[in-house]
Amino acid sequence: AQSVSQHNHHVILSEAASLELGCNYSYGGTVNLFWYVQYPGQHLQLLLKYFSGDPLVKGIKGFEAEFIKSKFSFNLRKPSVQWSDTAEYFCAVNPNAGNNRKLIWGLGTSLAVNP
Amino acid sequence: KAGVTQTPRYLIKTRGQQVTLSCSPISGHRSVSWYQQTPGQGLQFLFEYFSETQRNKGNFPGRFSGRQFSNSRSEMNVSTLELGDSALYLCASSLAGRGPTSYGYTFGSGTRLTVV
Repeated sequence: AQSVSQHNHHVILSEAASLELGCNYSYGGTVNLFWYVQYPGQHLQLLLKYFSGDPLVKGIKGFEAEFIKSKFSFNLRKPSVQWSDTAEYFCAVNPNAGNNRKLIWGLGTSLAVNP
Repeated sequence: KAGVTQTPRYLIKTRGQQVTLSCSPISGHRSVSWYQQTPGQGLQFLFEYFSETQRNKGNFPGRFSGRQFSNSRSEMNVSTLELGDSALYLCASSLAGRGPTSYGYTFGSGTRLTVV
């Protein structure tokens, strides 16, 4: 079955530390990839997405993600986190890249940034 | 522009009852999807509606149903509630055409359903 794995369930960092959240998926074909973020008390928001082209995509608030097809991965990174980045982060994958309209979601990674 | 509006925000129901949740998408968005979110299972896709037609369906029992109206507003219904239906139900809208897998979703804040 198609699945998305987010390896880190809980991450705690100090401000200015670098962040990398892992996301791996199990599907061999073409995919669209997404990262969503949910700040405390707020709704889910799109952080960034990858469809094709440059495998390094940049999103809002200084986040970026790199698609490595050979590793079936789409890891999220930020060079220097801030307290305001405290949130839940979700990786989502669309197998068949648009022909299938479903998204398959990871269970999320809770990030806490200490000031 | 206004975001995705879900009502009610909180619901407490008794086992065996049925419940209807409502979702108003962003103006101009014709695709509405529903998700169930629980700590153990994460976000599980329920169904997607586009132009009043169900376009996609997840792996949920027939007790879960939905519909979409001509103004793109959507409702989902759960009949014969079970304790395991307690969850946050999220509605997400997307632009017409390619929908959520191209443009991404705009989510509502959800309806927290507790079944006792």
